[in-house]
Amino acid sequence: GQQVMQIPQYQHVQEGEDFTTYCNSSTTLSNIQWYKQRPGGHPVFLIQLVKSGEVKKQKRLTFQFGEAKKNSSLHITATQTTDVGTYFCAGKEDRGSTLGRLYFGRGTQLTVWP
Amino acid sequence: NAGVTQTPKFRVLKTGQSMTLLCAQDMNHEYMYWYRQDPGMGLRLIHYSVGEGTTAKGEVPDGYNVSRLKKQNFLLGLESAAPSQTSVYFCASSQTKGHQETQYFGPGTRLLVL
Repeated sequence: GQQVMQIPQYQHVQEGEDFTTYCNSSTTLSNIQWYKQRPGGHPVFLIQLVKSGEVKKQKRLTFQFGEAKKNSSLHITATQTTDVGTYFCAGKEDRGSTLGRLYFGRGTQLTVWP
Repeated sequence: NAGVTQTPKFRVLKTGQSMTLLCAQDMNHEYMYWYRQDPGMGLRLIHYSVGEGTTAKGEVPDGYNVSRLKKQNFLLGLESAAPSQTSVYFCASSQTKGHQETQYFGPGTRLLVL
């Protein structure tokens, strides 16, 4: 079955430093989504990438989808304490299925020191 | 619009007891999901449904049953709770519109099995 691997599991940075989390899939994905979960909260959708090599930006967050549509990354520039949380990637298999099932990575827990 | 709601928010069970977790969504979504989240394990899919009256197994279905009698509701049942089922349970729903398949999560149910 499909697996989505995400690294690192934990990342501790000082405020102002950059942060990157990476996702790799064992199979080609039709799309990849990123979610953020604040401590004690629930996952909240951030963005979806669909096209090979796609890059999207949301303020200080940059999302990339690999050319082979098997890997993705989330980069945060100049982290702030409000960035604290766990970031999950979630991919959908490229099998032409209309089912909405996603395969979630285990997440990267980001801690930001002030 | 309440989005996705879950009841109860918190529950303590004794081993062997049964309970039902209720998920409701008011977005007219076709797809609904039950996940469990354990430290370091990310989100693991228990069961999901692609429409009223249909359900399917996810990654970790053992010990759980589900029903989707109405489109807006997705119930997760534990017939005989075990300590290994102590977890945070999230319900989610989604609707596929073209390539957009955002999953909307409920606030979660924290379950402790003694």
